[in-house]
Amino acid sequence: QQQVKQSPQSLIVQKGGISIINCAYENTAFDYFPWYQQFPGKGPALLIAIRPDVSEKKEGRFTISFNKSAKQFSLHIMDSQPGDSATYFCAASMRGANNLFFGTGTRLTVIP
Amino acid sequence: NAGVTQTPKFRVLKTGQSMTLLCAQDMNHEYMYWYRQDPGMGLRLIHYSVGEGTTAKGEVPDGYNVSRLKKQNFLLGLESAAPSQTSVYFCASSALDRYHYEQYFGPGTRLTVT
Repeated sequence: QQQVKQSPQSLIVQKGGISIINCAYENTAFDYFPWYQQFPGKGPALLIAIRPDVSEKKEGRFTISFNKSAKQFSLHIMDSQPGDSATYFCAASMRGANNLFFGTGTRLTVIP
Repeated sequence: NAGVTQTPKFRVLKTGQSMTLLCAQDMNHEYMYWYRQDPGMGLRLIHYSVGEGTTAKGEVPDGYNVSRLKKQNFLLGLESAAPSQTSVYFCASSALDRYHYEQYFGPGTRLTVT
């Protein structure tokens, strides 16, 4: 079964708008939550990551919000740009473990 | 510094044929991984290695074998390809971080089994 559930499957946002992608998990042993960005024909690349000791992490236009009690985390892309059009994957792993459990991905399209 | 490279980029196999995918990294990473990516499924871990000479099973290991004879290389083998193995395969590597392991991905190999 999917360890990390991701929604929506696809998202269309106008340039300048806010893109929001949500993920949920059940395993309370997870303690690292990265987001990966993938452009067509390329491998995923780490975008931003958070640990559960903070509720928010911001890097430029990208913010992760983390709700430990609800076991949910989300990626917010502010002032979305056409260059942000890509597939975004959330993931989770346990401390000291090698495995990253990925969500199913969200295809973001930012319309000029 | 090439990062993670994969060979080949594309391949078409007939059912029952075998092949090997090669992954190489020049970052001196200890850990290497093979994933497959299928529509609506995300990335799923096939096998991984925590160092030269070691391998371990991931989520979906059946039908695949791996070897890590050199630290910089990780090979993924399909002994008897099946249509269900049609997918995009990604290799990744990571260093040994204190808590977690940022994974660096290669560009992928698109495999079609007919």
